[in-house]
Amino acid sequence: QVQLVESGGGLVKPGGSLRLSCTASGFTFSDYSMSWIRQAPGKGPEWVSYIINSGTTIYYADSVKGRFTISRDNAKNSLYLQMNSLRAEDTAVYFCARGSLWGGDYWGQGTLVTVSS
Amino acid sequence: DIVMTQSPLSLPVTLGQPASISCRSSQSLVHSDGNIYLNWLQQRPGQSPRRLIYKVSNRDSGVPDRFSGSGSGTDFTLKISRVEAEDVGVYYCMQGTHWPFTFGQGTRLEIK
Repeated sequence: QVQLVESGGGLVKPGGSLRLSCTASGFTFSDYSMSWIRQAPGKGPEWVSYIINSGTTIYYADSVKGRFTISRDNAKNSLYLQMNSLRAEDTAVYFCARGSLWGGDYWGQGTLVTVSS
Repeated sequence: DIVMTQSPLSLPVTLGQPASISCRSSQSLVHSDGNIYLNWLQQRPGQSPRRLIYKVSNRDSGVPDRFSGSGSGTDFTLKISRVEAEDVGVYYCMQGTHWPFTFGQGTRLEIK
């Protein structure tokens, strides 16, 4: 069965960096676009970024452009989100999801990122 | 950015009764490929979001047939024919036609 497992979240100071990972199983990873979506405490979701299956096309929300980098390693069935220059407003649960335009048919359980001094 | 407006934001429903959520987009959601990427997601308390409906009216595998989606252009609706206790949670419409993809504010369904 399809599984997406995020890791790498934690507490980081403003201006710091974190790298999130999402390990996929149960499907042919290289066939699918993948996304990162975040949800701040008590708020609705925000689509942060997505990358197509080949990795050649990438989109970022304006709120993270220039600070976050999405990447994937199809040989390792893994999706990544490098987050630099973190701000308090980046505090959220970060989910990876399979797919993009059609809303993500599978979502992981999420990993919490807290940016605080 | 496309603004997705849901109503109502709070929906108290009696068990076994129907429920309906409206979602309106600020622009047409017809993609250049001809599809309408309007999706509905459910988030139960303490869980990750789960997609229920994709491309307006296609129900995901395992989703009960009491859930249905409809609409066109800029107006869309999620209907639950008979609400059950497990339907409690927040429902989001989400558009994947125009980047950045955007969500509605969410509709909180509770049992009356």
